[in-house]
Amino acid sequence: AQKITQTQPGMFVQEKEAVTLDCTYDTSDPSYGLFWYKQPSSGEMIFLIYQGSYDQQNATEGRYSLNFQKARKSANLVISASQLGDSAMYFCAMRWFSSGAQKLVFGQGTRLTINP
Amino acid sequence: DTAVSQTPKYLVTQMGNDKSIKCEQNLGHDTMYWYKQDSKKFLKIMFSYNNKELIINETVPNRFSPKSPDKAHLNLHINSLELGDSAVYFCASSQGTGFTEQYFGPGTRLTVT
Repeated sequence: AQKITQTQPGMFVQEKEAVTLDCTYDTSDPSYGLFWYKQPSSGEMIFLIYQGSYDQQNATEGRYSLNFQKARKSANLVISASQLGDSAMYFCAMRWFSSGAQKLVFGQGTRLTINP
Repeated sequence: DTAVSQTPKYLVTQMGNDKSIKCEQNLGHDTMYWYKQDSKKFLKIMFSYNNKELIINETVPNRFSPKSPDKAHLNLHINSLELGDSAVYFCASSQGTGFTEQYFGPGTRLTVT
C-alpha cells in the first residue's frame, strides 16, 4: 500500500545552517506527485514545493529544494540558510491515482526547531 | 482577502450533538477537500469534491457528511459527535484534480466534551 514515512520526529538546527528533512515513499504506481507543506505554530498549512514523478530535474523554490531520488523512493526537503521563522512542523505528502480515483497520503511530520 | 476561509475557528460541543463546519474559497478553484488532523498532528484526507462531485471518500464514519452547494463551498456536517472526533479540521482547495498545489484554510479546532 502507498505510504509516506518521515523518520525524524524532531530536528534542531543552528540558524543559517542548511537542513535536510527526510521523506521516503512507497508506491508501485508510475505516476504520482510529491509535496511538502509547512505548518507553523499558528496552525495554517503552507505549500512549499512539488515534485512530479516524471520530472527530470529536482524542484526548487527559493531556499527550498527537493532532493528527488526516484530509485530510492526518497523526496527529501532541503532548506538552505535556515532562519528562525523556519521553525515549524513539516509534512511530506504523496498524491496518486488508483482505479480512476484520486488518493492522497501525508507523512507523520517532522518538527524543525531553528536555534539562534 | 482570505483565499480559503472556514467558520467557525473554534467549536466546543458535547457528545451526541450535531454540528457543521463551513468552508469557502474565493480562488476560483474547482476542487475542495476536507482533512482531519489529530492530536499527534497526523493529517488524513477525508473527502474531496471536484465541480460538486465527490472524488475522494476515504474510510470515514457515516456520521460525517460533506455537502458542496457550489464549487466555492464545501461544508462538513457531523452527526452524533463523539469524543474521538476532537481534532483540527482543515478545508483546502486546488485547481483541477491533478498533482497541483492545495491551498489550506486556517483550520477549525473541534473539541467534543
